[in-house]
Amino acid sequence: AQSVTQLGSHVSVSEGALVLLRCNYSSSVPPYLFWYVQYPNQGLQLLLKYTSAATLVKGINGFEAEFKKSETSFHLTKPSAHMSDAAEYFCAVSFYSSASKIIFGSGTRLSIRP
Amino acid sequence: EAGVTQFPSHSVIEKGQTVTLRCDPISGHDNLYWYRRVMGKEIKFLLHFVKESKQDESGMPNNRFLAERTGGTYSTLKVQPAELEDSGVYFCASSQEETGISGANVLTFGAGSRLTVL
Repeated sequence: AQSVTQLGSHVSVSEGALVLLRCNYSSSVPPYLFWYVQYPNQGLQLLLKYTSAATLVKGINGFEAEFKKSETSFHLTKPSAHMSDAAEYFCAVSFYSSASKIIFGSGTRLSIRP
Repeated sequence: EAGVTQFPSHSVIEKGQTVTLRCDPISGHDNLYWYRRVMGKEIKFLLHFVKESKQDESGMPNNRFLAERTGGTYSTLKVQPAELEDSGVYFCASSQEETGISGANVLTFGAGSRLTVL
């Protein structure tokens, strides 16, 4: 069965520190991979997506993610955290056969310490 | 352009009552989706409309949930009668078919409707 696992329901980093949010997926077919972010009282916003082109994907707000097939991972990183990055982040996957049905991870809440 | 709008933002009802959630997609988006997040768990797919037709309703939990999209514009999701386990955040999303990237539809989500069943 296809699934998405996000390691760590809550991650806290200092302002200016590296942000690393982990995501692993389980799939027997090539996936499309996404990271969404939800700021307080707002909808889910697409950060970036992987669709079988370049394995290193750059998104908005300085975030990027690397697709590693051998590790079935799609970790999200940002070199230097900003206070405005505090939000909940969701890794998600879909597949060509059912591209409209997105499978989400359970989310990781990112806190930024001053 | 206006985003996906959901109403109400928060609803508190008692077990056994009825609640209707509404979603207004982005104008011109034929695809409309409902998702639900229960108690901090995963966001799970409920169903997918293409215009007024239900394309996929495999995620609907039971027959207490009824989704409609009359005229292919806004959609409603009714829960009747509501149970305690229905509490959560209900997200609506819409999309257009994305050209150039086969199959990877990008969804635009609303802010969600939080449902609390007491």
